[in-house]
Amino acid sequence: EDQVTQSPEALRLQEGESSSLNCSYTVSGLRGLFWYRQDPGKGPEFLFTLYSAGEEKEKERLKATLTKKESFLHITAPKPEDSATYLCAVQSARYALNFGKGTSLLVTP
Amino acid sequence: NAGVTQTPKFQVLKTGQSMTLQCAQDMNHNSMYWYRQDPGMGLRLIYYSASEGTTDKGEVPNGYNVSRLNKREFSLRLESAAPSQTSVYFCASRLGLAGATGELFFGEGSRLTVL
Repeated sequence: EDQVTQSPEALRLQEGESSSLNCSYTVSGLRGLFWYRQDPGKGPEFLFTLYSAGEEKEKERLKATLTKKESFLHITAPKPEDSATYLCAVQSARYALNFGKGTSLLVTP
Repeated sequence: NAGVTQTPKFQVLKTGQSMTLQCAQDMNHNSMYWYRQDPGMGLRLIYYSASEGTTDKGEVPNGYNVSRLNKREFSLRLESAAPSQTSVYFCASRLGLAGATGELFFGEGSRLTVL
């Protein structure tokens, strides 16, 4: 059975203080690892897809990396507008995405 | 450019009442999904439709039914609502057919309270 575990559950950073969010997974036949951002009262918004170990993708202050067992979402010099819940999901042979419980990020000025 | 549209956005029901959540996408996507999101539980798949004309159970299907009305629309029905079905419901769609990968596009959610 697919499992996705995100850590930490919550993270508080000062503006400019870089950090990383972790997503560890067990899946039979990974067909993609996905990162989403979710703001309060909104639906998840797609950020990245990673398909193979060693792959990296960047978008503004965010960088996602993938190994055979985990993915990291690195946040460089975060701003208050980066505050959100970040969700990780995997796809195996099943047709839908299996989500972790998310990391709630708060960036204070 | 609407994307995935869900109605209603908010609903309060009494135990035993029935209701249907509507979802429509205008991106010509092939597969559609219903998830529920509860505090501390994350997003859990209720039902999905891998392509027009097919539906399948997800992780938590009990108490729900779905209908893929056409390629654009996928509805979720609660026949006899229970307090345990209080949740935020998200509809999502994806371009790919069954077995294809690719990101899901989500609606804004329908917030349901069952008293």
